[in-house]
Amino acid sequence: DTGVSQNPRHKITKRGQNVTFRCDPISEHNRLYWYRQTLGQGPEFLTYFQNEAQLEKSRLLSDRFSAERPKGSFSTLEIQRTEQGDSAMYLCASSQTELYGYTFGSGTRLTVV
Amino acid sequence: AQKITQTQPGMFVQEKEAVTLDCTYDTSDQSYGLFWYKQPSSGEMIFLIYQGSYDEQNATEGRYSLNFQKARKSANLVISASQLGDSAMYFCAMTFSNDYKLSFGAGTTVTVRA
Repeated sequence: DTGVSQNPRHKITKRGQNVTFRCDPISEHNRLYWYRQTLGQGPEFLTYFQNEAQLEKSRLLSDRFSAERPKGSFSTLEIQRTEQGDSAMYLCASSQTELYGYTFGSGTRLTVV
Repeated sequence: AQKITQTQPGMFVQEKEAVTLDCTYDTSDQSYGLFWYKQPSSGEMIFLIYQGSYDEQNATEGRYSLNFQKARKSANLVISASQLGDSAMYFCAMTFSNDYKLSFGAGTTVTVRA
């Protein structure tokens, strides 16, 4: 297993378009997290899955954002009607237990023009 | 309210010297986890070190050590013998009791000079 994989690495989209990002976690990890990171800031929590169940969503996650994790494997994060303020790095992480840390993917950098 | 504070936005360190990155936190939880992550310019977050709130000994991982002072609510990261490849953003992060998500500080940028 090569770690957490995120696709695409970069996405440029026009304001108002929909975008979807994918995260493939480490296979034995049952927990999956999405974070958003703007330039020069720490990542902010968006949502968290345990297996296929979405257990928590941040208030940052407006109704334009939706995340799924079908069958408890990969996850997708969709942003509808993108706005310039959505421009950020979207990070995915997975974990089995907190004791050994969370493994992050390389992120998807979204630019809304 | 739970808060993580990293007061040093940027630091310069000479190669082969040690550097200490500050992290203080505010929580009423008794059980929590403390993490440090490194984020190079390429963007990936690299796990460095973990300390549990009940761990009595300070955590060490190679050149990284965590100076945990529970009463002062601080968890400083010490990087010994700095290398050019240590230039990156460093984040202090925490998990709180019954909450698996990580909460991050604002980060400190470290630049190692030859």
